[in-house]
Amino acid sequence: NAGVTQTPKFRILKIGQSMTLQCTQDMNHNYMYWYRQDPGMGLKLIYYSVGAGITDKGEVPNGYNVSRSTTEDFPLRLELAAPSQTSVYFCASSPRSSASGANVLTFGAGSRLTVL
Amino acid sequence: AQSVSQHNHHVILSEAASLELGCNYSYGGTVNLFWYVQYPGQHLQLLLKYFSGDPLVKGIKGFEAEFIKSKFSFNLRKPSVQWSDTAEYFCAVNGPETDKLIFGTGTRLQVFP
Repeated sequence: NAGVTQTPKFRILKIGQSMTLQCTQDMNHNYMYWYRQDPGMGLKLIYYSVGAGITDKGEVPNGYNVSRSTTEDFPLRLELAAPSQTSVYFCASSPRSSASGANVLTFGAGSRLTVL
Repeated sequence: AQSVSQHNHHVILSEAASLELGCNYSYGGTVNLFWYVQYPGQHLQLLLKYFSGDPLVKGIKGFEAEFIKSKFSFNLRKPSVQWSDTAEYFCAVNGPETDKLIFGTGTRLQVFP
């Protein structure tokens, strides 16, 4: 199994450009997440989804949009790129145990985005 | 709102030294607790987790963590570190009634031979 696949791995954007980070998982997980990782800041949750057609904001959603039309895909869109969005972005998925409520995430390899 | 604090930002140890990384959380209800590790150039992977039961949990590579409810803590320990343990370690928490998994700021561990 491929697990969680993110594309692209690296991207440089100019201020004001838009782009979409792709995320696909082949584990039939209902839950999917987008985090950004900045030095000394840990991981901050941007958006998450508990199933196809359902998305919700995380800790830092401003400047981003998501959609979840299928179970497998959870793209993250930046509409007007800003230098503050320079970061490493991680997509993750989870089967989420309804019994325990526990959330064990499988992460993708990350997408490094630079906005100049 | 739930939050996670990791007070050790950067830890430097020699091989065979003992390790303890602090993790405190703020959350009023029942919690699920995790430690994830990110080795250089790799993505995050689960080190260990606590859902319920025995508060002392054991993970991969000789790591363990103890959940102390009264202290809202979930500290990570290893009796004798190796050079290959050099990595960044993240504590994370979620409650069963919330779908969000919240991470701490991470602790960078460097182990020298």
